[in-house]
Amino acid sequence: EPEVTQTPSHQVTQMGQEVILRCVPISNHLYFYWYRQILGQKVEFLVSFYNNEISEKSEIFDDQFSVERPDGSNFTLKIRSTKLEDSAMYFCASNRLAGGDEQYFGPGTRLTVT
Amino acid sequence: AQSVTQLGSHVSVSEGALVLLRCNYSSSVPPYLFWYVQYPNQGLQLLLKYTSAATLVKGINGFEAEFKKSETSFHLTKPSAHMSDAAEYFCAVIGATGGYNKLIFGAGTRLAVHP
Repeated sequence: EPEVTQTPSHQVTQMGQEVILRCVPISNHLYFYWYRQILGQKVEFLVSFYNNEISEKSEIFDDQFSVERPDGSNFTLKIRSTKLEDSAMYFCASNRLAGGDEQYFGPGTRLTVT
Repeated sequence: AQSVTQLGSHVSVSEGALVLLRCNYSSSVPPYLFWYVQYPNQGLQLLLKYTSAATLVKGINGFEAEFKKSETSFHLTKPSAHMSDAAEYFCAVIGATGGYNKLIFGAGTRLAVHP
């Protein structure tokens, strides 16, 4: 069964460093998302991406964040200068259609900023 | 704006007992509603979804949920809990306008099942 994959599973970085989180969505999906979950808190939407551009972003997704689909398979989230409060689990998701179509989630990348 | 409230951050049941996890939503338009489950150290897996068809929705692993517009609720139930049901459960909503695709999650309910 097709699945969303994410690498790495755990990333430790120092404050101020750049990190890139990688995702491979399901191959025939058209909509891509990043969510994050700070430990003990709810899952929060960061950004959605369709047709090679951002379709919506939350207030969390400031200028320190960027997303890219560099080729036909990868979808990346870059944090330019990490802060302690960026420590969280980051989930990638994808789906084929808009609206109520199921979003398939990857296993997540745990980012720890020290 | 859409929002989701899950009553009870922790629910504990005995094996074989009824599971009831509560979810209330706020939406100015007919919503799409979802229940996701998260097992330890894993991603989110869809249990079931409501997309304006039947109000009683059956999902995987014996779970079901009923959409009640008058109560703005979408509670998750399972007649008989199993040890393997221990996990965190998230209710989520997508509004039909504005933020058409983003999922808005509740805070989650951690379900414990004891023998």
